[in-house]
Amino acid sequence: TQLLEQSPQFLSIQEGENLTVYCNSSSVFSSLQWYRQEPGEGPVLLVTVVTGGEVKKLKRLTFQFGDARKDSSLHITAAQTGDTGLYLCAGDTFNNDMRFGAGTRLTVKP
Amino acid sequence: GAGVSQSPRYKVAKRGQDVALRCDPISGHVSLFWYQQALGQGPEFLTYFQNEAQLDKSGLPSDRFFAERPEGSVSTLKIQRTQQEDSAVYLCASSAQQNYGYTFGSGTRLTVV
Repeated sequence: TQLLEQSPQFLSIQEGENLTVYCNSSSVFSSLQWYRQEPGEGPVLLVTVVTGGEVKKLKRLTFQFGDARKDSSLHITAAQTGDTGLYLCAGDTFNNDMRFGAGTRLTVKP
Repeated sequence: GAGVSQSPRYKVAKRGQDVALRCDPISGHVSLFWYQQALGQGPEFLTYFQNEAQLDKSGLPSDRFFAERPEGSVSTLKIQRTQQEDSAVYLCASSAQQNYGYTFGSGTRLTVV
């Protein structure tokens, strides 16, 4: 059983559409990170959220940390083909280590 | 270098062979993590170091897996008597401190035949 559950597992959309992916847990985290991973490479950090209820924007990407610090969402506006990749959320436990979800594999078609 | 460096990039091992995977973290990064990533899955935690101290090794799948970071910088993940189920990408990440996010290397793809 994953500590962090991500949904959907796969998502295929047309360029220009909006989408939201989710990361849920029954555990509380000191912080939560979102990463994007491309084939053959390690995950690349997109954002870290620390405060419950926090919202961060990174160009067309909006990240939200749940009030209870157990869940998070990533919203992409007007998706582009370059957004294609595996989106991973990772929670920083209070033991100073980080646990990942299984990821959402996003495909944006032209 | 500016990033986390892992070597080798690819490793093919015969079943039963021992392998050693190296990670050079970003200079000055206190925390170092090893993860195992199977095809199509998210990274699974293996072990964590703070400086030279191994604070958590609960994710190591068996006693065939051993990690060290003797001087608090370079780390080595050793797998003894490799099995086919050990085939995966092994990722190393480092961080300056908690809540800062982590920088990953490109990984070592291990294939056991």
